[in-house]
Amino acid sequence: KQEVTQIPAALSVPEGENLVLNCSFTDSAIYNLQWFRQDPGKGLTSLLLIQSSQREQTSGRLNASLDKSSGRSTLYIAASQPGDSATYLCAVRAGGGNKLTFGTGTQLKVEL
Amino acid sequence: DAGVIQSPRHEVTEMGQEVTLRCKPISGHDYLFWYRQTMMRGLELLIYFNNNVPIDDSGMPEDRFSAKMPNASFSTLKIQPSEPRDSAVYFCASSSDGNYGYTFGSGTRLTVV
Repeated sequence: KQEVTQIPAALSVPEGENLVLNCSFTDSAIYNLQWFRQDPGKGLTSLLLIQSSQREQTSGRLNASLDKSSGRSTLYIAASQPGDSATYLCAVRAGGGNKLTFGTGTQLKVEL
Repeated sequence: DAGVIQSPRHEVTEMGQEVTLRCKPISGHDYLFWYRQTMMRGLELLIYFNNNVPIDDSGMPEDRFSAKMPNASFSTLKIQPSEPRDSAVYFCASSSDGNYGYTFGSGTRLTVV
């Protein structure tokens, strides 16, 4: 059974700091890994999608990497802003089907 | 494209009542997923469909829950009878096959009193 873990569970940083969110998964047989953002009381917004054959994806200040063999992904946020405050979720799409298994999320707060 | 559309956005109902949640996936997506989110358990997959056919309903908690997809543009999740422990946010998501990502709806916040 695929298990996805995110560390840390919560993170508070001053504005402008670069930061890294971690995601690990137990079964490396995945199609892809997706990072989402969720604002309080809102739905999930897709940030980046990395295919199993890729090593990283970039969008603006966000960079996500994938090391499938070790079962790890990181989300790098450069020059953090208060508007980045949200919960960040990683999810893996299993190789044996089409289920998306979610991690428990990292709650990020960027302070002025 | 308007994205994945869910209705209602909020639902408050009394215990024992029937609740029906609705979802319209993105046109052309052949996978549709129902998730439930709670503080205690996070996001849980309830059921998913491929080409309108239920593929895996192992996450459906009890017989009180049922889901249908009568056509490619509409799905329902029904709870009958509802219980307070069913209170959660229910998300619908759709996707194309294989290497594509998921798109989520805005969710339905269900409160059973």
